[in-house]
Amino acid sequence: DAGVIQSPRHEVTEMGQEVTLRCKPISGHNSLFWYRQTMMRGLELLIYFNNNVPIDDSGMPEDRFSAKMPNASFSTLKIQPSEPRDSAVYFCASSFTGNGYTFGSGTRLTVV
Amino acid sequence: SQQGEEDPQALSIQEGENATMNCSYKTSINNLQWYRQNSGRGLVHLILIRSNEREKHSGRLRVTLDTSKKSSSLLITASRAADTASYFCATVGSQGNLIFGKGTKLSVKP
Repeated sequence: DAGVIQSPRHEVTEMGQEVTLRCKPISGHNSLFWYRQTMMRGLELLIYFNNNVPIDDSGMPEDRFSAKMPNASFSTLKIQPSEPRDSAVYFCASSFTGNGYTFGSGTRLTVV
Repeated sequence: SQQGEEDPQALSIQEGENATMNCSYKTSINNLQWYRQNSGRGLVHLILIRSNEREKHSGRLRVTLDTSKKSSSLLITASRAADTASYFCATVGSQGNLIFGKGTKLSVKP
């Protein structure tokens, strides 16, 4: 198994542009999570899905952030418009029944 | 909000020494998990301890759990330079989501 696959690994974009982060969870996992990590705030849960359905999006900072999971093998996190304070590493993770999580390698986003 | 809080925030030791990291949490749990994160990489699941367990071993790792004190510790014995990383404890929220502490940054000097 290739693990959780995230793309792109790095993204540099200008303020105001739309950014789309992608995640492919491990096949058979039924939960998918998006986290953001910064030095100041540590790891923050943004949103998570169970069986492709969003369960809790209370961690999404504001309306500029949106996430979708159209099927069990793909999810996107979109920021529109992006701002410099969105700069962070965004991680996707998947799990089955909530035991050990498997994390992707992350997307390092820089908004200039 | 943070559920697990690790201490110390940073720990520097010599290769061969043992490293102990502690974690406190606030609410009741079904299990507690420890993760490692190498610089610039994703988190890697190390070990899970259930609420009815007091101690668990995995290789050079030993995890203890005291539910009465709402605390856990991770011990790495005979540390190696390759153990240099950040270590996080995490508890599972009511709907299956993991809630992480801010982590302990471990540096093992050769």
